Amino acid sequence: GQNIDQPTEMTATEGAIVQINCTYQTSGFNGLFWYQQHAGEAPTFLSYNVLDGLEEKGRFSSFLSRSKGYSYLLLKELQMKDSASYLCAVSHRNRDDKIIFGKGTRLHILP
Amino acid sequence: DVKVTQSSRYLVKRTGEKVFLECVQDMDHENMFWYRQDPGLGLRLIYFSYDVKMKEKGDIPEGYSVSREKKERFSLILESASTNQTSMYLCASSLPLGQGRGYTFGSGTRLTVV
Repeated sequence: GQNIDQPTEMTATEGAIVQINCTYQTSGFNGLFWYQQHAGEAPTFLSYNVLDGLEEKGRFSSFLSRSKGYSYLLLKELQMKDSASYLCAVSHRNRDDKIIFGKGTRLHILP
Repeated sequence: DVKVTQSSRYLVKRTGEKVFLECVQDMDHENMFWYRQDPGLGLRLIYFSYDVKMKEKGDIPEGYSVSREKKERFSLILESASTNQTSMYLCASSLPLGQGRGYTFGSGTRLTVV
């Protein structure tokens, strides 16, 4: 089976840095995705990690540790528009075209 | 630049009605998926399809069926709508096995059953 855990809600201040953690337990892990979803809208792709380490993309970075079953999404220089839900999702190596989603972390940004 | 299109953004139907939710993708993706999303429950997979005329049940298929007559179109059917099917429905598509790079989602259909 597969299990993905991430915090339900987080709050941070505009201009600050926030780290959203995700832990997963799955046999045959292949890769990990992060999606952003604004209220009432569809999820949009942020990142995809297959190898251990940090991948940076502008203000957003994603980290993966395969041995620990752990990932985080790091958001820097927070803006009000970053208020959204962030979904962690994993794929299986035998079925990398189908992914399993966590329940998401709702991030609130305060001015 | 729209890649996955869902026919309706908002829909209101009566209990017992047969409801069709349409999804079309223009990326020539083999795989298509239907999810529903409810507060506190996250995204739950209803049905998916890896090829034309092929379908597989997801985690919550009860009360739903699907149709994939053409590669670009994947329809979700609520045979007899009930109030507990009020939800946000999301369609997604992806590349086939071995090329998996995640999903592209449609904009969603918020269905209310009264």
